[in-house]
Amino acid sequence: ETGVTQTPRHLVMGMTNKKSLKCEQHLGHNAMYWYKQSAKKPLELMFVYNFKEQTENNSVPSRFSPECPNSSHLFLHLHTLQPEDSALYLCASSQGLAGGLSRSGANVLTFGAGSRLTVL
Amino acid sequence: RKEVEQDPGPFNVPEGATVAFNCTYSNSASQSFFWYRQDCRKEPKLLMSVYSSGNEDGRFTAQLNRASQYISLLIRDSKLSDSATYLCVVSPTNAGKSTFGDGTTLTVKP
Repeated sequence: ETGVTQTPRHLVMGMTNKKSLKCEQHLGHNAMYWYKQSAKKPLELMFVYNFKEQTENNSVPSRFSPECPNSSHLFLHLHTLQPEDSALYLCASSQGLAGGLSRSGANVLTFGAGSRLTVL
Repeated sequence: RKEVEQDPGPFNVPEGATVAFNCTYSNSASQSFFWYRQDCRKEPKLLMSVYSSGNEDGRFTAQLNRASQYISLLIRDSKLSDSATYLCVVSPTNAGKSTFGDGTTLTVKP
């Protein structure tokens, strides 16, 4: 258990469905992230939130809509997805923004187990 | 050119072998460097941060060469449990935008 919990772990949806992925962290971190991991591709950063404010949207299509009501919770709302959106969606958190100039390790990413999404 | 490039692998080595992975990055302004480990169908987990002076953690040694813009990971006395994909991660000065390499897969065989 990493302290970052994602639900559901597996999700199958049709292209016309609306679903949401949930992420909750119990680490007291201030920054939260959504990453996408497709087969044979590196992790792709999607969104970054710091103190529940969005600081990064990595040109993600609008069919993915993030929501961060507080520093502990992060959602990814999904609607009218395409089959190529099938992937593992990973949530992560860090004390400060990841990669910040900290030798203490406080700004490294802690990942959840991921939500494996299949779009039919 | 990819921002972060890793040895394509896969690496198949016997137990006890020493194996080294290399990773190059294109952004000379990058400030933070990490190696993560990802087991099959699991999430990535931090293996170690990489510091300018190089650092060691048991059987694992990480080094950074800023002039040549590459980082390396050396694993000594490989164990079966070291079998995983190793991800190189580089972060620029604008914190929050960590870039992951494709990963290098290691299989340690008995």
